[in-house]
Amino acid sequence: GAGVSQSPRYKVTKRGQDVTLRCDPISSHATLYWYQQALGQGPEFLTYFNYEAQPDKSGLPSDRFSAERPEGSISTLTIQRTEQRDSAMYRCASSPGQVNEQFFGPGTRLTVL
Amino acid sequence: QQQVKQSPQSLIVQKGGISIINCAYENTAFDYFPWYQQFPGKGPALLIAIRPDVSEKKEGRFTISFNKSAKQFSLHIMDSQPGDSATYFCAARSSGYALNFGKGTSLLVTP
Repeated sequence: GAGVSQSPRYKVTKRGQDVTLRCDPISSHATLYWYQQALGQGPEFLTYFNYEAQPDKSGLPSDRFSAERPEGSISTLTIQRTEQRDSAMYRCASSPGQVNEQFFGPGTRLTVL
Repeated sequence: QQQVKQSPQSLIVQKGGISIINCAYENTAFDYFPWYQQFPGKGPALLIAIRPDVSEKKEGRFTISFNKSAKQFSLHIMDSQPGDSATYFCAARSSGYALNFGKGTSLLVTP
């Protein structure tokens, strides 16, 4: 595609529900990143993939958060048993490789009531 | 713990003026320092980036100044225009790892 796309753009859920966010990276980009951006803050790293491998999960805040990229292209970020503190913008970025420029998607705004 | 500290939080500049945003870091393993520009409703987009082997990089009206000994770098926007009004993020990365972002600076350029 022309750029990184994310869906849904907005998600409102109730505390305790599970949510799944989707990222469709630029085609042929090997590396995909997930970031969490709180209001008024810069993006904070959650995890990343090289193709389907997930070398670093160190930024995931708790074991309620998980991500996958089973075929090395589209990725999903799942938050189980959502809490109000999970409310944030979730951004996906892709790059041709780890040392290249990262291209960001428009984000998914998650609100947990 | 924030690895990159950015200031000011907000900035108002008149059209034609110079906008200056500053960042500082502690991790000497960082070897790539990009600046991102973000418009409302959009994701951050790379504006300009520098590596620590040079002290300055200029692209059009945008210049990064880098001071390795002080562990500081700054973005200068010359002849600022209303279309430059956006949020600017500095970031830093060590080889092959994720970006560490500053908190952002909201820039408003008045006509």
